Amino acid sequence: NAGVTQTPKFRVLKTGQSMTLLCAQDMNHEYMYWYRQDPGMGLRLIHYSVGEGTTAKGEVPDGYNVSRLKKQNFLLGLESAAPSQTSVYFCASSSGAPEAFFGQGTRLTVV
Amino acid sequence: AQSVTQPDIHITVSEGASLELRCNYSYGATPYLFWYVQSPGQGLQLLLKYFSGDTLVQGIKGFEAEFKRSQSSFNLRKPSVHWSDAAEYFCAVGADGGSQGNLIFGKGTKLSVKP
Repeated sequence: NAGVTQTPKFRVLKTGQSMTLLCAQDMNHEYMYWYRQDPGMGLRLIHYSVGEGTTAKGEVPDGYNVSRLKKQNFLLGLESAAPSQTSVYFCASSSGAPEAFFGQGTRLTVV
Repeated sequence: AQSVTQPDIHITVSEGASLELRCNYSYGATPYLFWYVQSPGQGLQLLLKYFSGDTLVQGIKGFEAEFKRSQSSFNLRKPSVHWSDAAEYFCAVGADGGSQGNLIFGKGTKLSVKP
């Protein structure tokens, strides 16, 4: 039972570089989310998707883009990474019921 | 706007002692409420959830939480803490009634356990 899988688990970027974080879920969930976790801030919603081909902004969307070309995948992109984007990123999915299942996280450091 | 407040940033308890972690929420209707636990370097694990019905909910690992509408609270309790309970705990509320599954999280309470 894979559930929600995030790739990669760790990454170090230089300022200005770009990268894409991949989230894959095998539960046939309609809804998917990207959160970031920073010390003392809890988790904050970056973007989310309510179905294939849809995306919407969350609380802290600036500097990120997302795509949901396939139902099972939700990609988070950083076009030009900044040190302020150093964080732990969590992907989650939901069937639409008010319960989300989380991946193990991606620890990103921007130097 | 919806919000979740966890007043305690860090709590230390002795092993075997009882534990209560506080959570207050702001939402007009009956909320969907959750407690998650995060061990160091790990993802989030759901401890328990409240959607409706009995206001005392049982979760995994011996945890329970009580929904009190009059106090807008959903405090997490455990009668006897084990060293393995040392982790960070997050309270969350379903955003916009929870219909779409996205959550609003509190800032977390870090639990340390003394031997």
